[in-house]
Amino acid sequence: ELKVEQNPLFLSMQEGKNYTIYCNYSTTSDRLYWYRQDPGKSLESLFVLLSNGAVKQEGRLMASLDTKARLSTLHITAAVHDLSATYFCAVMIYNQGGKLIFGQGTELSVKP
Amino acid sequence: KAGVTQTPRYLIKTRGQQVTLSCSPISGHRSVSWYQQTPGQGLQFLFEYFSETQRNKGNFPGRFSGRQFSNSRSEMNVSTLELGDSALYLCASSPTNYEQYFGPGTRLTVT
Repeated sequence: ELKVEQNPLFLSMQEGKNYTIYCNYSTTSDRLYWYRQDPGKSLESLFVLLSNGAVKQEGRLMASLDTKARLSTLHITAAVHDLSATYFCAVMIYNQGGKLIFGQGTELSVKP
Repeated sequence: KAGVTQTPRYLIKTRGQQVTLSCSPISGHRSVSWYQQTPGQGLQFLFEYFSETQRNKGNFPGRFSGRQFSNSRSEMNVSTLELGDSALYLCASSPTNYEQYFGPGTRLTVT
């Protein structure tokens, strides 16, 4: 059974600190997605990682992909309160069509 | 370009009823996928349509069905609603399998 596992599931951070969210998956895939979700809202696309060694950065967030280790990381630099949200990683699986398999989500709370 | 639209945004139904949710993809996108989000099960894939054909289906009972029209708009239907069907239903459209753009979702409450 395909599994996508994130850790930690809950993260309380102080503003200005750095931290990393990990996403492990159990099957071969070369497409890894990171999404942000605010309470009661839909999913906002953050990054799409398409190949081994891919690294993408946007503001205080940086995502990377190691397909050999089946691991992606989302690194948060100098956290600010506005980053408080739930972050999901997802793996694209193909079987005629594509479908996303999501991790459980990491609920991030950044406190002043 | 307009984003993915879903209607209605909020819905309250009673157990045993049926419901139809609608999704209009981004213009030019031919693939539409549906996902269910609940606190207990997280985000789960329901089905994917491309050019009016269902290409992929998740592990949901037959009470969940969908279709896609020639203009790529999609509907999903849930019959004989159960309390556990209360969820946020998200639709995503895609020009290919590369990127999926999510709509605002329909919040379904079953009482």
